Amino acid sequence: DGGITQSPKYLFRKEGQNVTLSCEQNLNHDAMYWYRQDPGQGLRLIYYSQIVNDFQKGDIAEGYSVSREKKESFPLTVTSAQKNPTAFYLCASSISKNSGANVLTFGAGSRLTVL
Amino acid sequence: AQSVTQPDIHITVSEGASLELRCNYSYGATPYLFWYVQSPGQGLQLLLKYFSGDTLVQGIKGFEAEFKRSQSSFNLRKPSVHWSDAAEYFCAVGPSGSARQLTFGSGTQLTVLP
Repeated sequence: DGGITQSPKYLFRKEGQNVTLSCEQNLNHDAMYWYRQDPGQGLRLIYYSQIVNDFQKGDIAEGYSVSREKKESFPLTVTSAQKNPTAFYLCASSISKNSGANVLTFGAGSRLTVL
Repeated sequence: AQSVTQPDIHITVSEGASLELRCNYSYGATPYLFWYVQSPGQGLQLLLKYFSGDTLVQGIKGFEAEFKRSQSSFNLRKPSVHWSDAAEYFCAVGPSGSARQLTFGSGTQLTVLP
């Protein structure tokens, strides 16, 4: 079955360390997204990519970086510059055009805890 | 600026009872509206969406939602709740063309009593 795979499911990090969260999709979707979820705050967009080798900052990109070298993959790096990285991170994808372009398919998420 | 308000942070219903989750939005044009459900520790799953046409939209798992333009609302309903419906529910609004501009509400946590 097609879907989005995020790994790891749980991750612990010491302050000052960078960590990378993996996101892989086999839906043949062009667009991919990273969201951060905090209790009571809904979802906030970190980065998105509409095509390979191109990505754009979302609403809360500071302290994060991404790459899009392959259509299937969109890893997120949480850098030491992110002041409050403990959160639940969700990767999503969508087709890039027509009426389905704003319909998101989500992965199961990665929970990052900074110790 | 667009926004979504889910007034109820937490709702508790008994199994078999009816359910209505509220969603109010602010959007300058004709909105595209969504309801997603999230089980604990999982990603979000699309329940239903409204783009145009019939204002009563049917979704998966027996859910429906009604778009009321005059009230800027898109409330989610289910006639008879099952224990497996316990989850967090998110309403979202945005334009066509890209999910980049979707705005999500802060969610409503549903507890189902046996």
